[in-house]
Amino acid sequence: NAGVTQTPKFRILKIGQSMTLQCTQDMNHNYMYWYRQDPGMGLKLIYYSVGAGITDKGEVPNGYNVSRSTTEDFPLRLELAAPSQTSVYFCASSYAVTGNNEQFFGPGTRLTVL
Amino acid sequence: AQKVTQAQTEISVVEKEDVTLDCVYETRDTTYYLFWYKQPPSGELVFLIRRNSFDEQNEISGRYSWNFQKSTSSFNFTITASQVVDSAVYFCALSEWNGGSQGNLIFGKGTKLSVKP
Repeated sequence: NAGVTQTPKFRILKIGQSMTLQCTQDMNHNYMYWYRQDPGMGLKLIYYSVGAGITDKGEVPNGYNVSRSTTEDFPLRLELAAPSQTSVYFCASSYAVTGNNEQFFGPGTRLTVL
Repeated sequence: AQKVTQAQTEISVVEKEDVTLDCVYETRDTTYYLFWYKQPPSGELVFLIRRNSFDEQNEISGRYSWNFQKSTSSFNFTITASQVVDSAVYFCALSEWNGGSQGNLIFGKGTKLSVKP
């Protein structure tokens, strides 16, 4: 099992550019999440999905979009990159529907917007 | 609203010292779950422990132990005989069980632990 994989590992964007952060899990987890981690801060939830075709906003969704066409993949789209989106992005997945779920995290994508 | 507070931003100890990382949480739910994650310098997040609100037993795993006290809404983490490899940022997180949250994690800001040789 590869677990949760994310690509790319690093990316530099110019203001106004767009990009998609890829996330794939091979654990057949229904639940997937996108977080951002700003320096000195904990992780904040951007979007989550409870299954293919179902997504919902988290705490900080502005400037992002997601889709979930398959169980395995949960890409995060930045349409018009802004310096405020400079952060480390983590994708995670979990199996259980209740709060009693260990989330498995990917290695992260470090994004810089200049 | 749910909230997790890790008041210690940074802690520095010398190897073999014991160290306790504090975590205080706020929630209105009676059913909830608490987690600790470790983020080493390499950046990935490593799951350490999960505890539900109905289980107040302390837990020990090797040099790690956790003290859960509902009366003070705390879930503290102690490393005994710390080692340089314990140097990392440690996050405490809360997950509520209700129809809206879907098990989302609320993270504290983390405590950076530096263990000097």
